[in-house]
Amino acid sequence: SQTIHQWPATLVQPVGSPLSLECTVEGTSNPNLYWYRQAAGRGLQLLFYSVGIGQISSEVPQNLSASRPQDRQFILSSKKLLLSDSGFYLCAWSARGEAFFGQGTRLTVV
Amino acid sequence: GESVGLHLPTLSVQEGDNSIINCAYSNSASDYFIWYKQESGKGPQFIIDIRSNMDKRQGQRVTVLLNKTVKHLSLQIAATQPGDSAVYFCAENSGGNQFYFGTGTSLTVIP
Repeated sequence: SQTIHQWPATLVQPVGSPLSLECTVEGTSNPNLYWYRQAAGRGLQLLFYSVGIGQISSEVPQNLSASRPQDRQFILSSKKLLLSDSGFYLCAWSARGEAFFGQGTRLTVV
Repeated sequence: GESVGLHLPTLSVQEGDNSIINCAYSNSASDYFIWYKQESGKGPQFIIDIRSNMDKRQGQRVTVLLNKTVKHLSLQIAATQPGDSAVYFCAENSGGNQFYFGTGTSLTVIP
């Protein structure tokens, strides 16, 4: 069965510190992968999506970057976090008519 | 400045009433649609799906209606309960790997 692992579930980081959120997928191959952010009371905002290894599309200019070093691994990073990077981050994958979300990471930048 | 995403449309309903959540899509080639429910602090979970060869599909207390003419999708929840309070998302697919997710609607059920 297909599963998606996203970690950590919660994270508190100081301003200026680096960030690395990881998402891995099992049970499918060559999926599309997505990183979304939700600010409190807001809808899903697409940050990045990837159609293959090393292929990253950025949807909004921002302080974050994404990488896909392996087919089923998607990483969201920042070199220096800003207060405005706080939010709920969701990883998702889609392939062959299916789409699933991870459980999300609550990031608080202090 | 940084974009922080669109404000969530909100819908408040009385417990026991029916809820209707709407979604519009723009790609006429979209032929598969999914509704997700996201409870607070969790990732969205699959509720129900529908393919474009259908106009209606029913699940347990939920019904999805598809109007391809006006590119409109709706989710109807019968006898809404407090546990239905959540954010609901639609997603569309045109046959490949790519899905497009809507920004969501926040449903609040008033006891």
